[in-house]
Amino acid sequence: GAGVSQSPSNKVTEKGKDVELRCDPISGHTALYWYRQRLGQGLEFLIYFQGNSAPDKSGLPSDRFSAERTGESVSTLTIQRTQQEDSAVYLCASSPPHAVTTGELFFGEGSRLTVL
Amino acid sequence: GENVEQHPSTLSVQEGDSAVIKCTYSDSASNYFPWYKQELGKRPQLIIDIRSNVGEKKDQRIAVTLNKTAKHFSLHITETQPEDSAVYFCAQGGSTLGRLYFGRGTQLTVWP
Repeated sequence: GAGVSQSPSNKVTEKGKDVELRCDPISGHTALYWYRQRLGQGLEFLIYFQGNSAPDKSGLPSDRFSAERTGESVSTLTIQRTQQEDSAVYLCASSPPHAVTTGELFFGEGSRLTVL
Repeated sequence: GENVEQHPSTLSVQEGDSAVIKCTYSDSASNYFPWYKQELGKRPQLIIDIRSNVGEKKDQRIAVTLNKTAKHFSLHITETQPEDSAVYFCAQGGSTLGRLYFGRGTQLTVWP
């Protein structure tokens, strides 16, 4: 597709279970970002990839959160032993090489996670 | 730090009036200041941005002003229309590789 694609769009899970969220960035975009948006809140930075490496993981809220990216394309955000406070919309964004430090981010529709 | 303060959190205006949203930041190394619009249930989308080498930028009914000395920037929407109703986020970046810091957002409602 032409835009950033995320799956699943909605995920309901029980507390303590692991979840995986997937992001397909726009083809050719070398930078990929994960943000978390709690209900009525702003965008909380989680992690940033340049190619397949993550120079900035400082936003990950705990060691239950991890992310990887392969082939300079698809990225997976994994949350282990989910807690209720993990409930949020997880937004993925990508940006082209010329905007790797400061430029437009193209967001996906997000994955809405609900932890019961 | 890299905090971005955004005000107001909610804003209601009558159609045709102007709306102004303000943000302040703390990192003097920031050099990029975008504004994103997020309609209900939709993804955030860039509507306008400004870099630190200019003080103002305009695109039709939307304008952004930047005061680097005071470390604040503002979004101005003139002749508002109901379709302008959305959450608007300011952000600042450039000081940390690849990272944009977002404000908490402003819910703008334009009444017909």
